[in-house]
Amino acid sequence: NAGVTQTPKFQVLKTGQSMTLQCAQDMNHEYMSWYRQDPGMGLRLIHYSVGAGITDQGEVPNGYNVSRSTTEDFPLRLLSAAPSQTSVYFCASSYRPGTVPNYGYTFGSGTRLTVV
Amino acid sequence: QQQVKQSPQSLIVQKGGISIINCAYENTAFDYFPWYQQFPGKGPALLIAIRPDVSEKKEGRFTISFNKSAKQFSLHIMDSQPGDSATYFCAASFEAAGNKLTFGGGTRVLVKP
Repeated sequence: NAGVTQTPKFQVLKTGQSMTLQCAQDMNHEYMSWYRQDPGMGLRLIHYSVGAGITDQGEVPNGYNVSRSTTEDFPLRLLSAAPSQTSVYFCASSYRPGTVPNYGYTFGSGTRLTVV
Repeated sequence: QQQVKQSPQSLIVQKGGISIINCAYENTAFDYFPWYQQFPGKGPALLIAIRPDVSEKKEGRFTISFNKSAKQFSLHIMDSQPGDSATYFCAASFEAAGNKLTFGGGTRVLVKP
Protein backbone atom coordinates (compact mmCIF):
# COMPACT_ATOMS: atom_id res chain seq x y z
CA ASN A 1 0.00 0.00 0.00
CA ALA A 2 1.19 3.47 -0.87
CA GLY A 3 2.08 5.63 2.07
CA VAL A 4 4.71 6.66 4.58
CA THR A 5 6.53 3.82 6.33
CA GLN A 6 8.34 4.42 9.61
CA THR A 7 10.61 1.98 11.40
CA PRO A 8 10.94 0.98 14.15
CA LYS A 9 7.53 1.41 15.79
CA PHE A 10 8.99 1.29 19.31
CA GLN A 11 12.48 1.88 20.64
CA VAL A 12 14.13 2.18 24.04
CA LEU A 13 17.52 3.87 24.19
CA LYS A 14 19.96 4.56 26.95
CA THR A 15 21.16 8.10 27.48
CA GLY A 16 24.05 8.84 25.15
CA GLN A 17 23.23 6.19 22.58
CA SER A 18 22.66 7.11 18.97
CA MET A 19 20.15 5.74 16.51
CA THR A 20 18.43 6.39 13.21
CA LEU A 21 14.68 6.52 12.70
CA GLN A 22 13.81 5.42 9.21
CA CYS A 23 11.18 7.00 6.96
CA ALA A 24 10.28 5.99 3.43
CA GLN A 25 7.48 7.08 1.10
CA ASP A 26 6.44 5.64 -2.24
CA MET A 27 4.21 8.46 -3.49
CA ASN A 28 6.97 10.44 -5.22
CA HIS A 29 6.40 13.34 -2.80
CA GLU A 30 8.95 16.14 -2.96
CA TYR A 31 8.36 17.46 0.55
CA MET A 32 9.19 15.46 3.67
CA SER A 33 9.22 16.43 7.34
CA TRP A 34 9.88 15.09 10.81
CA TYR A 35 7.72 16.07 13.78
CA ARG A 36 7.75 15.13 17.42
CA GLN A 37 4.56 14.89 19.44
CA ASP A 38 4.52 15.54 23.15
CA PRO A 39 1.41 15.68 25.38
CA GLY A 40 -0.37 19.03 25.25
CA MET A 41 2.11 20.50 22.77
CA GLY A 42 0.76 19.33 19.46
CA LEU A 43 3.34 18.40 16.86
CA ARG A 44 6.55 20.36 16.51
CA LEU A 45 8.69 20.42 13.39
CA ILE A 46 12.23 19.05 13.78
CA HIS A 47 13.61 19.10 10.23
CA TYR A 48 12.17 19.26 6.76
CA SER A 49 13.16 18.79 3.13
CA VAL A 50 11.74 20.23 -0.10
CA GLY A 51 13.61 17.79 -2.32
CA ALA A 52 16.52 15.38 -2.58
CA GLY A 53 19.70 17.03 -1.34
CA ILE A 54 17.85 19.90 0.37
CA THR A 55 17.17 19.99 4.10
CA ASP A 56 16.53 22.70 6.66
CA GLN A 57 15.85 23.09 10.36
CA GLY A 58 12.44 23.35 11.93
CA GLU A 59 11.36 24.58 15.34
CA VAL A 60 13.22 22.01 17.51
CA PRO A 61 16.29 20.75 15.57
CA ASN A 62 18.85 20.47 18.39
CA GLY A 63 20.12 16.92 18.92
CA TYR A 64 18.84 15.69 15.57
CA ASN A 65 20.37 15.32 12.14
CA VAL A 66 18.83 14.54 8.74
CA SER A 67 19.88 13.90 5.16
CA ARG A 68 17.89 13.39 1.95
CA SER A 69 19.90 11.49 -0.63
CA THR A 70 16.83 10.14 -2.46
CA THR A 71 13.26 11.33 -2.98
CA GLU A 72 11.93 8.29 -1.13
CA ASP A 73 13.95 8.28 2.09
CA PHE A 74 14.36 10.80 4.89
CA PRO A 75 16.10 9.29 7.96
CA LEU A 76 16.30 11.12 11.29
CA ARG A 77 19.43 10.60 13.40
CA LEU A 78 19.62 11.09 17.13
CA LEU A 79 23.25 11.92 17.81
CA SER A 80 23.39 11.36 21.58
CA ALA A 81 20.01 10.47 23.06
CA ALA A 82 18.73 12.40 26.06
CA PRO A 83 15.64 11.80 28.24
CA SER A 84 14.16 15.04 26.82
CA GLN A 85 13.97 13.28 23.46
CA THR A 86 11.46 10.79 24.78
CA SER A 87 8.53 11.38 22.43
CA VAL A 88 6.51 10.04 19.53
CA TYR A 89 8.12 10.87 16.20
CA PHE A 90 6.17 11.26 12.99
CA CYS A 91 7.43 11.46 9.45
CA ALA A 92 5.23 13.15 6.83
CA SER A 93 5.37 13.78 3.11
CA SER A 94 3.46 15.81 0.53
CA TYR A 95 3.49 17.02 -3.02
CA ARG A 96 4.85 20.48 -3.70
CA PRO A 97 2.00 22.99 -3.11
CA GLY A 98 0.19 23.84 -6.29
CA THR A 99 1.17 20.71 -8.22
CA VAL A 100 -2.00 18.81 -7.33
CA PRO A 101 -5.38 20.07 -6.03
CA ASN A 102 -5.29 18.39 -2.61
CA TYR A 103 -1.69 18.00 -1.60
CA GLY A 104 -1.94 17.77 2.19
CA TYR A 105 0.69 15.96 4.19
CA THR A 106 0.48 12.18 4.65
CA PHE A 107 1.80 11.02 8.01
CA GLY A 108 3.39 7.74 8.98
CA SER A 109 2.17 5.74 11.98
CA GLY A 110 4.94 7.00 14.23
CA THR A 111 7.90 5.77 16.28
CA ARG A 112 7.49 5.78 20.05
CA LEU A 113 10.92 6.47 21.55
CA THR A 114 11.84 6.21 25.21
CA VAL A 115 15.24 7.37 26.45
CA VAL A 116 16.21 6.08 29.89
CA GLN B 1 6.22 31.29 20.99
CA GLN B 2 3.00 29.47 20.16
CA GLN B 3 1.91 30.76 16.79
CA VAL B 4 -1.30 28.71 16.61
CA LYS B 5 -3.50 28.55 19.70
CA GLN B 6 -6.25 25.94 19.86
CA SER B 7 -9.21 25.64 22.22
CA PRO B 8 -10.72 23.87 24.01
CA GLN B 9 -8.24 21.19 25.08
CA SER B 10 -11.05 18.67 25.43
CA LEU B 11 -14.68 18.43 24.47
CA ILE B 12 -17.52 16.06 25.29
CA VAL B 13 -20.54 16.06 23.01
CA GLN B 14 -23.61 13.87 22.75
CA LYS B 15 -24.23 11.81 19.63
CA GLY B 16 -25.92 13.99 17.04
CA GLY B 17 -24.59 17.21 18.56
CA ILE B 18 -22.20 19.78 17.13
CA SER B 19 -18.52 19.86 18.05
CA ILE B 20 -16.79 23.23 17.67
CA ILE B 21 -13.02 23.71 17.89
CA ASN B 22 -11.39 27.12 17.57
CA CYS B 23 -7.92 28.20 16.50
CA ALA B 24 -6.18 31.56 16.38
CA TYR B 25 -2.96 32.36 14.57
CA GLU B 26 -0.44 35.18 14.75
CA ASN B 27 1.58 35.04 11.55
CA THR B 28 -0.28 36.87 8.77
CA ALA B 29 1.96 35.17 6.19
CA PHE B 30 0.17 31.86 6.77
CA ASP B 31 -1.83 30.94 3.70
CA TYR B 32 -2.89 27.34 4.21
CA PHE B 33 -4.94 26.08 7.15
CA PRO B 34 -5.53 22.31 7.44
CA TRP B 35 -7.24 20.27 10.13
CA TYR B 36 -5.97 16.84 11.10
CA GLN B 37 -7.71 13.98 12.89
CA GLN B 38 -5.71 11.55 14.99
CA PHE B 39 -6.83 8.27 16.55
CA PRO B 40 -4.82 6.68 19.39
CA GLY B 41 -1.69 4.96 18.15
CA LYS B 42 -2.04 6.39 14.66
CA GLY B 43 -0.54 9.28 12.76
CA PRO B 44 -2.57 12.41 12.02
CA ALA B 45 -4.73 12.25 8.90
CA LEU B 46 -5.77 15.27 6.84
CA LEU B 47 -9.45 16.02 7.37
CA ILE B 48 -10.13 19.29 5.56
CA ALA B 49 -8.19 22.41 4.62
CA ILE B 50 -8.89 26.03 3.66
CA ARG B 51 -7.08 29.00 2.19
CA PRO B 52 -7.69 32.61 3.34
CA ASP B 53 -9.52 33.66 0.17
CA VAL B 54 -12.48 31.49 1.25
CA SER B 55 -14.59 32.13 4.37
CA GLU B 56 -16.11 28.68 4.64
CA LYS B 57 -15.51 25.18 3.33
CA LYS B 58 -17.71 22.16 3.87
CA GLU B 59 -16.94 18.50 3.31
CA GLY B 60 -19.66 16.16 4.49
CA ARG B 61 -20.26 16.74 8.21
CA PHE B 62 -17.08 18.82 8.59
CA THR B 63 -17.00 22.59 8.03
CA ILE B 64 -14.18 25.09 8.38
CA SER B 65 -15.08 28.73 9.05
CA PHE B 66 -12.33 31.27 8.43
CA ASN B 67 -12.11 34.88 9.65
CA LYS B 68 -9.07 36.54 8.12
CA SER B 69 -9.45 39.89 9.88
CA ALA B 70 -9.66 38.22 13.29
CA LYS B 71 -6.95 35.68 12.40
CA GLN B 72 -9.20 32.88 13.56
CA PHE B 73 -10.58 29.69 12.09
CA SER B 74 -12.75 26.94 13.45
CA LEU B 75 -13.85 23.38 12.77
CA HIS B 76 -17.49 22.38 13.13
CA ILE B 77 -18.42 18.70 13.25
CA MET B 78 -22.13 18.36 12.59
CA ASP B 79 -24.19 15.36 13.72
CA SER B 80 -21.24 14.09 15.78
CA GLN B 81 -20.86 10.29 15.89
CA PRO B 82 -18.98 8.04 18.35
CA GLY B 83 -16.56 7.25 15.51
CA ASP B 84 -15.57 10.94 15.49
CA SER B 85 -14.01 10.50 18.95
CA ALA B 86 -10.39 11.46 18.31
CA THR B 87 -7.89 14.25 18.79
CA TYR B 88 -8.16 17.12 16.32
CA PHE B 89 -5.32 19.45 15.41
CA CYS B 90 -5.49 22.70 13.53
CA ALA B 91 -2.40 23.82 11.67
CA ALA B 92 -1.12 26.66 9.52
CA SER B 93 1.63 27.05 6.98
CA PHE B 94 3.16 29.43 4.45
CA GLU B 95 3.18 27.48 1.21
CA ALA B 96 6.01 29.39 -0.45
CA ALA B 97 8.36 28.89 2.51
CA GLY B 98 8.58 25.12 2.56
CA ASN B 99 4.96 24.65 3.62
CA LYS B 100 6.10 23.88 7.15
CA LEU B 101 3.11 23.09 9.34
CA THR B 102 2.71 24.87 12.68
CA PHE B 103 0.24 22.92 14.81
CA GLY B 104 -2.14 23.91 17.56
CA GLY B 105 -2.02 21.98 20.82
CA GLY B 106 -4.89 19.65 19.92
CA THR B 107 -8.45 19.02 21.12
CA ARG B 108 -9.57 15.66 22.40
CA VAL B 109 -13.17 15.07 21.36
CA LEU B 110 -15.34 12.43 22.99
CA VAL B 111 -18.74 11.71 21.47
CA LYS B 112 -21.06 9.95 23.88
CA PRO B 113 -23.65 7.55 22.41
